[in-house]
Amino acid sequence: GAVVSQHPSWVICKSGTSVKIECRSLDFQATTMFWYRQFPKQSLMLMATSNEGSKATYEQGVEKDKFLINHASLTLSTLTVTSAHPEDSSFYICSARDGGAGNTIYFGEGSWLTVV
Amino acid sequence: SQQGEEDPQALSIQEGENATMNCSYKTSINNLQWYRQNSGRGLVHLILIRSNEREKHSGRLRVTLDTSKKSSSLLITASRAADTASYFCATDYGQNFVFGPGTRLSVLP
Repeated sequence: GAVVSQHPSWVICKSGTSVKIECRSLDFQATTMFWYRQFPKQSLMLMATSNEGSKATYEQGVEKDKFLINHASLTLSTLTVTSAHPEDSSFYICSARDGGAGNTIYFGEGSWLTVV
Repeated sequence: SQQGEEDPQALSIQEGENATMNCSYKTSINNLQWYRQNSGRGLVHLILIRSNEREKHSGRLRVTLDTSKKSSSLLITASRAADTASYFCATDYGQNFVFGPGTRLSVLP
């Protein structure tokens, strides 16, 4: 079946640095990709929606200058957490919509970010 | 906000019992999906039900959709300890894909 690969699975970074998380659709072209954030024991909160070749649409309350999303190709979207702070520590998960398969959405395995 | 609600927030049952979780949403949807998430892990897709469908089955899972009430339910029959997880409904509005707050299910052996 279709696979969405997310990398890295785990990352620890120092406060003030930036970290990039990649989301790849391995065997389909993703017309739309979504980025979510999940705090412990809470649901997934949509951060932004990105369409290939255009700027991401951010949800209310999400700082677009802090969470940079790039969707440069139909198989890759990246989320860069800039100037990371400990409160950015969270589980980040992406999903990709396969426009050619009934618009089915597939999820990556998620990335744990810990900012120390 | 388009985010719906799920109830109960937490559910604890004995092995062999059935578990029912409900999800409500706010506006018209293309489809609704149920996911399972084990602690600290990614999401596992369970069932997708389209807006023109009323019920779907997959093994021990049964999902219903009532578009007039904007609600869905997930029934897990003959539960097992391995079913212990958080269960989320997610509504596909076309451009957005939004999760409910989830139900934490504990199945006690």
